[in-house]
Amino acid sequence: DAGVIQSPRHEVTEMGQEVTLRCKPISGHNSLFWYRQTMMRGLELLIYFNNNVPIDDSGMPEDRFSAKMPNASFSTLKIQPSEPRDSAVYFCASRPKGGVAEAFFGQGTRLTVV
Amino acid sequence: GQQVMQIPQYQHVQEGEDFTTYCNSSTTLSNIQWYKQRPGGHPVFLIQLVKSGEVKKQKRLTFQFGEAKKNSSLHITATQTTDVGTYFCAGLTGGGNKLTFGTGTQLKVEL
Repeated sequence: DAGVIQSPRHEVTEMGQEVTLRCKPISGHNSLFWYRQTMMRGLELLIYFNNNVPIDDSGMPEDRFSAKMPNASFSTLKIQPSEPRDSAVYFCASRPKGGVAEAFFGQGTRLTVV
Repeated sequence: GQQVMQIPQYQHVQEGEDFTTYCNSSTTLSNIQWYKQRPGGHPVFLIQLVKSGEVKKQKRLTFQFGEAKKNSSLHITATQTTDVGTYFCAGLTGGGNKLTFGTGTQLKVEL
């Protein structure tokens, strides 16, 4: 398995533009997480899904952020409109059900909003 | 909401010295996991602790879960330059599904 795949790896966009981040979890994993990492706030949990259903989105900053998981192999995180303070590294992670259930992270998307 | 704090935020040590990071949760945890993130990389799983008072070792690394399942620690004996990175604890709640990361401890090891 190629692991968790995120795209794009880097994104530079202008303030006000829509940004869509994509994630392909590891096949067979039933939990998917979106995290945001900044120097100031560390690694924040934005939202997580179990079996494609959003369970907890209390970490989503505001209505400009939305996440979907239309099927078990794909998820998106959308920011519209983007603002400079959204600049961060966004990680997607997936976990299998049961056992030790470690989280496997993607390489991350470094977003810069100018 | 749940908060997971770690201290210290940063630690500089000389190679060969020991290092400890402490993790405290505002709520009782189902399990706790530890991850390491190398500079420019992504978090990578190290270990999971489940039982109250549990202690696990991985070579020079010793992990401990508190009796009340609200705190944990990671101790590295005789640090090496390969130990450089940020160490995160991550608490599992919500029936063991919600994974909330601590604030992290950045370790720098100097020769």
